[in-house]
Amino acid sequence: GQNIDQPTEMTATEGAIVQINCTYQTSGFNGLFWYQQHAGEAPTFLSYNVLDGLEEKGRFSSFLSRSKGYSYLLLKELQMKDSASYLCAVRDFTNAGKSTFGDGTTLTVKP
Amino acid sequence: DTEVTQTPKHLVMGMTNKKSLKCEQHMGHRAMYWYKQKAKKPPELMFVYSYEKLSINESVPSRFSPECPNSSLLNLHLHALQPEDSALYLCASSQDTGGGNEQFFGPGTRLTVL
Repeated sequence: GQNIDQPTEMTATEGAIVQINCTYQTSGFNGLFWYQQHAGEAPTFLSYNVLDGLEEKGRFSSFLSRSKGYSYLLLKELQMKDSASYLCAVRDFTNAGKSTFGDGTTLTVKP
Repeated sequence: DTEVTQTPKHLVMGMTNKKSLKCEQHMGHRAMYWYKQKAKKPPELMFVYSYEKLSINESVPSRFSPECPNSSLLNLHLHALQPEDSALYLCASSQDTGGGNEQFFGPGTRLTVL
């Protein structure tokens, strides 16, 4: 099975940098996804990591350490519109490639 | 077209009703998913179709019946639901079920069971 942990809530200031952590345990790791979900809307894809290291995409970066079962999502130059829930999802190749979502981290960006 | 569409947006039904949720994508994706999402909770996987065959059923009660008529369409037939089934039902698709294929989510159907 899989066990995915993320902080429940975080608060940060507009223009700042915030790091959202995700730890996981899985029997057949086959990639980790980060999604953003605004209230009342569908999740949208942010990033994917399957090898160790940092993936950068504009203001968003995601890091993975497979040996530590750890990932983080880094958001730079925070904007008010970044207030949303951030979901970490882990894919497991032992279960037909199923992705399991963590409970999500609700980020509030304040002026 | 990089969109997953779902109909209806909202649905209210009684416990004796039969209704269907519909999902469509024209991205050529061969994997399609149904998720259930309760307020302030993450999406919870219900079913996965891979190349139009059911590949995962997460022990979902039989009052939910999925159908994949072709590679672009996914339905979820509902019958004799309970009030606790009220939730946002999300459809998603991906290239296939392997590797780094991210899922594209539809806007969801908000279901209320009275």
